[in-house]
Amino acid sequence: GQQLNQSPQSMFIQEGEDVSMNCTSSSIFNTWLWYKQDPGEGPVLLIALYKAGELTSNGRLTAQFGITRKDSFLNISASIPSDVGIYFCAGQWYGGSQGNLIFGKGTKLSVKP
Amino acid sequence: GAVVSQHPSWVICKSGTSVKIECRSLDFQATTMFWYRQFPKQSLMLMATSNEGSKATYEQGVEKDKFLINHASLTLSTLTVTSAHPEDSSFYICSAGTDRANEQFFGPGTRLTVL
Repeated sequence: GQQLNQSPQSMFIQEGEDVSMNCTSSSIFNTWLWYKQDPGEGPVLLIALYKAGELTSNGRLTAQFGITRKDSFLNISASIPSDVGIYFCAGQWYGGSQGNLIFGKGTKLSVKP
Repeated sequence: GAVVSQHPSWVICKSGTSVKIECRSLDFQATTMFWYRQFPKQSLMLMATSNEGSKATYEQGVEKDKFLINHASLTLSTLTVTSAHPEDSSFYICSAGTDRANEQFFGPGTRLTVL
């Protein structure tokens, strides 16, 4: 099925460092979503973006909805060990009451204490 | 609020048997439920979308006769993997959506291992 281009695939950083990851698509979306998935668990929503150009923060996390509606980035500032996990972007296009999510391939984040 | 549960959390079965996975929205009514499959180190791939009281819509390449979906109520959807084979071993995750177009809440997933 259709997927987004998410990069990097993996990151290994030192605790306290900032992290940046992004997603691009050839299609436009109405909504961009960022999820974190821990091993053996379902994805947990971190940030949802609804308008082109929107910049939203959730604690140490900041995400932006690209102005072209075809890309988004997620930044994590001052990383801590519990940030370890896999981060997925997801784009959503809907014309009715519910729209399918298209997921990126994920960014695996490892944090060294 | 917006809690989605799945049962069982993991299951091991013999090849050729059928397995049923339940997805429940615990504190809200889900107008739509989605079923995803995730292979190791890969992303979530949508299998099917179901609306309460109607037939599920399957994604291309997903066999509807093998993956039976029932969405009998606004709080429960079931996925039955019929005649399971080892290649069906995967992590199955459901999500539940409300009337708001952008809200989908994910369950914790079910690990299926077919021997």
